[in-house]
Amino acid sequence: EAQVTQNPRYLITVTGKKLTVTCSQNMNHEYMSWYRQDPGLGLRQIYYSMNVEVTDKGDVPEGYKVSRKEKRNFPLILESPSPNQTSLYFCASSQRGSGQGWQPQHFGDGTRLSIL
Amino acid sequence: AQSVAQPEDQVNVAEGNPLTVKCTYSVSGNPYLFWYVQYPNRGLQFLLKYITGDNLVKGSYGFEAEFNKSQTSFHLKKPSALVSDSALYFCAVRDYSGNTPLVFGKGTRLSVIA
Repeated sequence: EAQVTQNPRYLITVTGKKLTVTCSQNMNHEYMSWYRQDPGLGLRQIYYSMNVEVTDKGDVPEGYKVSRKEKRNFPLILESPSPNQTSLYFCASSQRGSGQGWQPQHFGDGTRLSIL
Repeated sequence: AQSVAQPEDQVNVAEGNPLTVKCTYSVSGNPYLFWYVQYPNRGLQFLLKYITGDNLVKGSYGFEAEFNKSQTSFHLKKPSALVSDSALYFCAVRDYSGNTPLVFGKGTRLSVIA
């Protein structure tokens, strides 16, 4: 089954304790992205990656790191989490379509992070 | 810069009535437009997209969307709403060049009342 898998689904942790949220897709997609969803703000992009070893900042990259060493994996790293990073996080992937367009994104089921 | 506006935080409609969820966009080139739906405790699911061609796009679950270039709008519609359509709906846009990220609106919560 084609899917984007995020782990963990839920995490409660404390300020300053490094954490990693993993994201893996089994569709051989080139493009992967991380979003955070906050009430009243919709989805905001944190980082994205057009391909292996290529990553770019989105709208809200501060406090986050990513890496794309393999095509299927795109982990999100919070080196020193703070309470304002409490949010619902989504990973997504998509494939390049015909011409220069991109196919619709497939989303994971989300990771709810609470930073105390 | 690209942007999307969903002017309504909440839309309420009676079951069986037509529904419209509004979206306007801004993009420098030609737009590549999407609608996604989010059910509780789930990620976003793709509903439909517009690239070029027919201004009326048909998608999943009986939804359709009308692209209006002069009004820079891409409103989501359904002729007859179901209670099961109640969810959070997101409009998104990217420049068709494909080298810019997808930008989402803030979402509109649709409630269909029996």
